[in-house]
Amino acid sequence: GAVVSQHPSRVICKSGTSVKIECRSLDFQATTMFWYRQFPKQSLMLMATSNEGSKATYEQGVEKDKFLINHASLTLSTLTVTSAHPEDSSFYICSATPGGVVQPQHFGDGTRLSIL
Amino acid sequence: DQQVKQNSPSLSVQEGRISILNCDYTNSMFDYFLWYKKYPAEGPTFLISISSIKDKNEDGRFTVFLNKSAKHLSLHIVPSQPGDSAVYFCAGHTGTASKLTFGTGTRRQVTL
Repeated sequence: GAVVSQHPSRVICKSGTSVKIECRSLDFQATTMFWYRQFPKQSLMLMATSNEGSKATYEQGVEKDKFLINHASLTLSTLTVTSAHPEDSSFYICSATPGGVVQPQHFGDGTRLSIL
Repeated sequence: DQQVKQNSPSLSVQEGRISILNCDYTNSMFDYFLWYKKYPAEGPTFLISISSIKDKNEDGRFTVFLNKSAKHLSLHIVPSQPGDSAVYFCAGHTGTASKLTFGTGTRRQVTL
């Protein structure tokens, strides 16, 4: 159980393109989803926390207009990287938790974004 | 400010032997700690967690020890298996925001 699906797994696109990444909890309802970013050989850095039906909470230094997050249902959250530039190239990973009593976050397999 | 630190970037262990991965933290507000394993191009997989009010938790091959006074935790894995080769992350959980703060990871290589 506790499967999180992330799509697409890899994106290569031109500078200026907007890219949408989907994160789905397949066998549980995720009241909270998280979006992380990982640079090579570095830790996972939390970008934002999204709760179903409300606005996402962004970490310090993360541009909310650059990284649009939508959590429209209990099983789907999307991250849109708007007008992507080469410096946005990274590994983006989502996670989800059913909430309630302390539950570990379950992660998707990540999206490798490469902006040319 | 690195609140969770894994000072060993890598370790190598023989199959069948015990592996010990270490993690230090600075944030006293973490209410529990988790260990994750990560293969390349995949998301982390949860291994085991421990509440900040406990000093030990065991699950199969995995045992996590917490020394709160030293702000240190360790993950013991025995026996080590070749399929275990991956990067291992420890993370601190902040209850009020349900956020995870990850360490930088330790690359663990299990050799035959």
